[in-house]
Amino acid sequence: QLHLQESGPGLLKPSETLSLTCSISGDSISSDYHWGWVRQPPGKGLEWIGAIYYSGSPYYSPSLRSRVTIYVDTSKNHFSLELSSVTAADTAVYYCARVYCSSSCYLDHWGQGTLVTVSS
Amino acid sequence: QSALTQPPSASGSPGQSVTISCTGTSSDVGGYYYVSWYQKHPGKAPKIMIYEVNKRPSGVPDRFSGSKSGNTASLTVSGLQAEDEADYYCSSYAGSNNWVFGGGTKLTVL
Repeated sequence: QLHLQESGPGLLKPSETLSLTCSISGDSISSDYHWGWVRQPPGKGLEWIGAIYYSGSPYYSPSLRSRVTIYVDTSKNHFSLELSSVTAADTAVYYCARVYCSSSCYLDHWGQGTLVTVSS
Repeated sequence: QSALTQPPSASGSPGQSVTISCTGTSSDVGGYYYVSWYQKHPGKAPKIMIYEVNKRPSGVPDRFSGSKSGNTASLTVSGLQAEDEADYYCSSYAGSNNWVFGGGTKLTVL
């Protein structure tokens, strides 16, 4: 049974870098899936952040591309998100997810999400 | 402002059918047959309900169906049940390895 668990600091100050890790159990990060991040600001809809295939280059939302990095650690079977220069607008619940891609892609398993608050 | 527009709320009585719309543009919903729908209960992780406009993953009841016309996709829930009460989000491929989501629709079973 696949389980994804996000972890990382829940409170950041403006201008700091957000760093989250998604630990995978029940699957290998080297399997034939992509691995991605989505966030949901309070009271708002979901927002795509980006994703990565373990042996490929990451791909990001155009609106966040200048500040985001996604990378994998195959030895630890996890993948990570970094978002630099955060502001209050980055306050959100951050979800990691497995991305199934065939002719199209969709997120077939999600973590429970972790709330990250940006406040001075 | 979400990229895709959904009605904030929808409702129906048990046994009825409800349709939730998702409006985008020719650059996303209208340009690809890659619309998906997610169900989210409070405090739970989102769950895929529909992918590629009208395909259901294994385990999703056939009461859930999807369609698309032009720049608008729709999710229909037939034979409403209490457990269908949740938030529903649409998503579409928008080209260049980018996906967009809707703002979500709160479905209430009366």
